[in-house]
Amino acid sequence: GQSLEQPSEVTAVEGAIVQINCTYQTSGFYGLSWYQQHDGGAPTFLSYNALDGLEETGRFSSFLSRSDSYGYLLLQELQMKDSASYFCAVGGGSQGNLIFGKGTKLSVKP
Amino acid sequence: DTGVSQNPRHKITKRGQNVTFRCDPISEHNRLYWYRQTLGQGPEFLTYFQNEAQLEKSRLLSDRFSAERPKGSFSTLEIQRTEQGDSAMYLCASSLVRDEQYFGPGTRLTVT
Repeated sequence: GQSLEQPSEVTAVEGAIVQINCTYQTSGFYGLSWYQQHDGGAPTFLSYNALDGLEETGRFSSFLSRSDSYGYLLLQELQMKDSASYFCAVGGGSQGNLIFGKGTKLSVKP
Repeated sequence: DTGVSQNPRHKITKRGQNVTFRCDPISEHNRLYWYRQTLGQGPEFLTYFQNEAQLEKSRLLSDRFSAERPKGSFSTLEIQRTEQGDSAMYLCASSLVRDEQYFGPGTRLTVT
């Protein structure tokens, strides 16, 4: 089956850098996605890594190591609006579904 | 540019009643997904359509659940004989590729 592990909570201060890790077990791995969800809101796509290495999009970067079944989301220059839950997700071994982790709740303090 | 829309946003129903939710995807997206999310959990996959064809269903989707996507446009998710355990947020997403999905605001179902 498929499973993903990520920390349940992370706290950081405004302006800091935070890294949210994700380890996964899956058959038929295609890539690792990251989604952001504010309280009461819908998940929003952030990034997708199919190949090893770092992908940068503004203040957010995502990393993948296929050999280690591991990835992380790096958030730089944290802002209060970054307080949200962050989910890693992998393909469910088929063409259809995504399997989501339980999410990491990030709290950004002033 | 309109995103994914879902109706209703909230639904309160009594146990045993049937409910139906609607999802209107982004118009050019041929893939449509339904997920269920409970507090403190990530979205759980329910079913997936490519155009009008329902290609995949989760084992979570009991006989009481049915989904349709007539003409490959909007989709409906029906839950028959609702149970208290069905209380959750029901999310719809659409996409061109599996790994970059665009979610609607969800329908929050409360079964009393």
